[in-house]
Amino acid sequence: GAGVSQSPRYKVAKRGQDVALRCDPISGHVSLFWYQQALGQGPEFLTYFQNEAQLDKSGLPSDRFFAERPEGSVSTLKIQRTQQEDSAVYLCASSEGQRFYEQYFGPGTRLTVT
Amino acid sequence: DQQVKQNSPSLSVQEGRISILNCDYTNSMFDYFLWYKKYPAEGPTFLISISSIKDKNEDGRFTVFLNKSAKHLSLHIVPSQPGDSAVYFCAANAPRQGGSEKLVFGKGTKLTVNP
Repeated sequence: GAGVSQSPRYKVAKRGQDVALRCDPISGHVSLFWYQQALGQGPEFLTYFQNEAQLDKSGLPSDRFFAERPEGSVSTLKIQRTQQEDSAVYLCASSEGQRFYEQYFGPGTRLTVT
Repeated sequence: DQQVKQNSPSLSVQEGRISILNCDYTNSMFDYFLWYKKYPAEGPTFLISISSIKDKNEDGRFTVFLNKSAKHLSLHIVPSQPGDSAVYFCAANAPRQGGSEKLVFGKGTKLTVNP
């Protein structure tokens, strides 16, 4: 079956621009996660949805970061007024209800802010 | 502070031999541990997990061992194959109140299996 997909795969933004990153989770997966991975580091948790409810946004680095999942499937991570330190790979993952800890990742969006 | 540590940035082994990747953690509340494999330009791929109440889980060539008293886990790959060359991430599940869950990752170990 289809895995987690993300678009765009690569995004170059000028500092100060807004960007929107999309995630299509595996069909039927209730949990959706966003992670940020800097070069040479492991993924770091940003936010978590269960269906359409955002249960944890403790990892969002600032109020410039906003995520939504209005219908409980597709999710969008929006970054406003991008800064150079936002350059990273943004990973989306989903998991089914019973085995929530086994998360399945998309290929990521590599964001470069110039 | 880093709650999940992979102290070896890289490991090189010969094809057919055993690969052992190590991971240490500090948070005794972690309830599941997972290993992910990552190829360049791809997302991490789930490999194997272990519950904190177990000490071993095996799946084909991959075995994960958990030593709770030492807060240490390891991934054994036997026999190693060139296709196993990738970055391996250790991750731990941190249960939180209110039903939120998140994975805490180490920095990864780059495994190279030489033919």
